[in-house]
Amino acid sequence: QVQLQESGPGLVKPSQTLSLTCTVSGGSISSGGYYWNWIRQHPGKGLEWIGYIYYSGSTYYNPTLKSRVTISVDTSKNQFSLKLSSVTAADTAVYYCARQKTYGGNFDYWGQGTLVTVSS
Amino acid sequence: QSALTQPASVSGSPGQSITISCTGTSSDVGSYDLISWYQHHPGKAPKLMIYEVSNRPSGVSNRFSGSKSGNTASLTISGLQAEDEADYYCCSYAGSSTLVVFGGGTKLTVL
Repeated sequence: QVQLQESGPGLVKPSQTLSLTCTVSGGSISSGGYYWNWIRQHPGKGLEWIGYIYYSGSTYYNPTLKSRVTISVDTSKNQFSLKLSSVTAADTAVYYCARQKTYGGNFDYWGQGTLVTVSS
Repeated sequence: QSALTQPASVSGSPGQSITISCTGTSSDVGSYDLISWYQHHPGKAPKLMIYEVSNRPSGVSNRFSGSKSGNTASLTISGLQAEDEADYYCCSYAGSSTLVVFGGGTKLTVL
């Protein structure tokens, strides 16, 4: 059973960089064929897709966030990470990591999410 | 504002059936069959309930079914049970630029 777990600071100051890590267990990121995603949910709102990294290392980001987002992978630790720069209060959200089986397809495994608050 | 439109809330009594709609455009729901639905109990990981419009993953009850007509996808839950009370989100592929869009979520209350 694949499991994903997000980790990182719960509080980030405005203008700083938000950094989160997703640790994958029960399966190897480098085994191939999957897209590893970050998704967020603003308080009381719907879900917003942030971007993915393919097991090969290629990435694709939501055009609305592209200038501030970097997703990377550390296959030795079976982790992938999110960096979101120049954050503002509008980036306060619950951040989820999720696995996607096919390009543009469904997300079959998710983490429980981690709340990140942007505040001074 | 979410890209896909869902009703904010629906409710039903145990044993009844309910349907949650998910309305998009010809650029997403209307053009692709990559529609999925997720059940989310607060504080837990979202769970995939339906993929590719109407397919159920292994282990998901056959009380859950999905369909699509034009720019609107639907999730139907029959024989409502207390454990079905949760938030439900739809998701659609939206082309190679935007890639994926979600609905705003629907809170299901089992009366």
